[in-house]
Amino acid sequence: QQPVQSPQAVILREGEDAVINCSSSKALYSVHWYRQKHGEAPVFLMILLKGGEQKGHEKISASFNEKKQQSSLYLTASQLSYSGTYFCGTEWYVASGTYKYIFGTGTRLKVLA
Amino acid sequence: DTGVSQDPRHKITKRGQNVTFRCDPISEHNRLYWYRQTLGQGPEFLTYFQNEAQLEKSRLLSDRFSAERPKGSFSTLEIQRTEQGDSAMYLCASSLKILTRINEQFFGPGTRLTVL
Repeated sequence: QQPVQSPQAVILREGEDAVINCSSSKALYSVHWYRQKHGEAPVFLMILLKGGEQKGHEKISASFNEKKQQSSLYLTASQLSYSGTYFCGTEWYVASGTYKYIFGTGTRLKVLA
Repeated sequence: DTGVSQDPRHKITKRGQNVTFRCDPISEHNRLYWYRQTLGQGPEFLTYFQNEAQLEKSRLLSDRFSAERPKGSFSTLEIQRTEQGDSAMYLCASSLKILTRINEQFFGPGTRLTVL
């Protein structure tokens, strides 16, 4: 049930771009993206809802392919501050107004100067 | 500070003891989540509340774990008869859900539990 993220790890130079993918076996209601730095709590980056609505901040974009049950996070012109572990969080409807929520396997990203 | 707060930040206990953690969410948030995270892994969902109702509980949550949110505000997570495998960071997050709209989860700093 845990969404699989790819790649597992990536190393970039400042200014380079990266794409992180999140694949689920479930029909998703929403996908959330978070970044976690070592020793800190996850910080929200982006939310994508079924139907195409997006909400986020920072200079990061994402897509959500409902049919393929996949989401991708696009990091452009990466900065040193982008380093950390990226997690997708997926939400799907279970029954009677309840949802299940599970985080993906994570992608470690390191940006070098 | 109007963010999510957790108390204590660190807890060291001996195997077999009971521990209780507290989470104070952002005041207007109606959803509250508990997660457990071990080194190198993503947060594992434990349970969540909408207001005071516990809507979902992971099968990871054995009978030794219980969570409450009695007044729909703060929440407590209790672990009875702790085991060394319970050692982890316990994260709390809150969010606001209005009708079908879902907003992002804001995480607290976590409580790091070490069971000796």
